[in-house]
Amino acid sequence: KAGVTQTPRYLIKTRGQQVTLSCSPISGHRSVSWYQQTPGQGLQFLFEYFSETQRNKGNFPGRFSGRQFSNSRSEMNVSTLELGDSALYLCASSAGQKGQGYTFGSGTRLTVV
Amino acid sequence: QQQVKQSPQSLIVQKGGISIINCAYENTAFDYFPWYQQFPGKGPALLIAIRPDVSEKKEGRFTISFNKSAKQFSLHIMDSQPGDSATYFCAASPPMDTGRRALTFGSGTRLQVQP
Repeated sequence: KAGVTQTPRYLIKTRGQQVTLSCSPISGHRSVSWYQQTPGQGLQFLFEYFSETQRNKGNFPGRFSGRQFSNSRSEMNVSTLELGDSALYLCASSAGQKGQGYTFGSGTRLTVV
Repeated sequence: QQQVKQSPQSLIVQKGGISIINCAYENTAFDYFPWYQQFPGKGPALLIAIRPDVSEKKEGRFTISFNKSAKQFSLHIMDSQPGDSATYFCAASPPMDTGRRALTFGSGTRLQVQP
């Protein structure tokens, strides 16, 4: 069974640009969550999608957005990039049922210069 | 009230020893407490998880102890091996049916097991 796939693995962007990250969940998983990991703030929840609907959102500015497609694949977008957006962005999928844990991908390492 | 506090920040254990990592939470609505292991360049991998209706759960060399009244839970790694050297995160989450299901992570513990 394939795991959670995130693309690209590495990305370098310039301040002010926008970026789109992609996540393919485990087959059959309908819940996709995104997390930001930085040395200073640790792992922080961005948002969760279930059946194409945003179900929960963390405390991040509106520059961070996401969506989920009918095949459960998800994308997150960050507009007007700031230096502080440099981080490892992790996607996690779950079957969305009680007792089911989250499986994380290897992440996309975003560097803003 | 969403915070999960994890200690210690780093831990050095001899091969064959017991590694113990502790976490404390504040939100009494949390009902799912997983532990994740993360190696450099990889995403966190689920190790073991517990719900508050049990006080202990064991899977192989990994054991979670849970104290609901104290709002604390801990990870014990028995017979620690050099391959266990990684960063460990505790986490907590509200119930699935609240619509607020999101993991709140501890700050992480860097474990080094010396041969």
